Amino acid sequence: QSVLTQPPSVSGAPGQRVTISCTGNSSNIGAGYDVHWYHRFPGTAPKLLIYDNTNRPSGVPDRFSGSKSGTSASLAITGLQAEDEADYYCQSYDSSLSGSVFGGGTKLTVL
Amino acid sequence: EVQLVESGGGLVQPGGSLKLSCAASGFTLSGSAMHWVRQASGKGLEWVGRSRSKANSYATAYAASVKGRFTISRDDSKNTAYLQMNSLKTEDTAVYYCTRRSSDDSSGYYYVWGQGTLVTVSS
Repeated sequence: QSVLTQPPSVSGAPGQRVTISCTGNSSNIGAGYDVHWYHRFPGTAPKLLIYDNTNRPSGVPDRFSGSKSGTSASLAITGLQAEDEADYYCQSYDSSLSGSVFGGGTKLTVL
Repeated sequence: EVQLVESGGGLVQPGGSLKLSCAASGFTLSGSAMHWVRQASGKGLEWVGRSRSKANSYATAYAASVKGRFTISRDDSKNTAYLQMNSLKTEDTAVYYCTRRSSDDSSGYYYVWGQGTLVTVSS
């Protein structure tokens, strides 16, 4: 059971927009800690996608965007492409656990 | 090129020990916070523990699930971090990643990852 809650799967057709939610509580996201997003393709290590809630590392297309409000955060992907198929994870810090916490991951399928 | 390369994974019996290595290149490990994250098959990512940078005395912290059994250390001369795992349990079976964190503080993110090394605990 992951501390941050994500939907197990989402799907969309090419060109569509999808969102992935990440829900926490008052010890992590609700306490004001930043949320970061990673994607992981089969057989590879996770890769940073969004940091500090809304920022994209160099090289990440602006089709990817992040937001945060209250005890939740969201990752939005517009103009869905087949190459976006991957597992997506959110991450934050939890003060009651004194460590990083992750979501359980969301598998994105491009139909 | 900034890179992390893990090694040392393998098959170990329950109750046994294993030491993972994480060799850094392209940057000086001592100036960075280093964390270990693992992923069991079919499960999500799980934070294992961290070592803060030299500026913060390499202070360590661990997840409750591994506290007292796992230890993170470093060798500056080899630019390498280690994860010593003792009293291994079957539930420790996972791919283990070392990661470079953006800062020592609580809001940091992981922007460099190793390729991962598989640890299998089984009799």
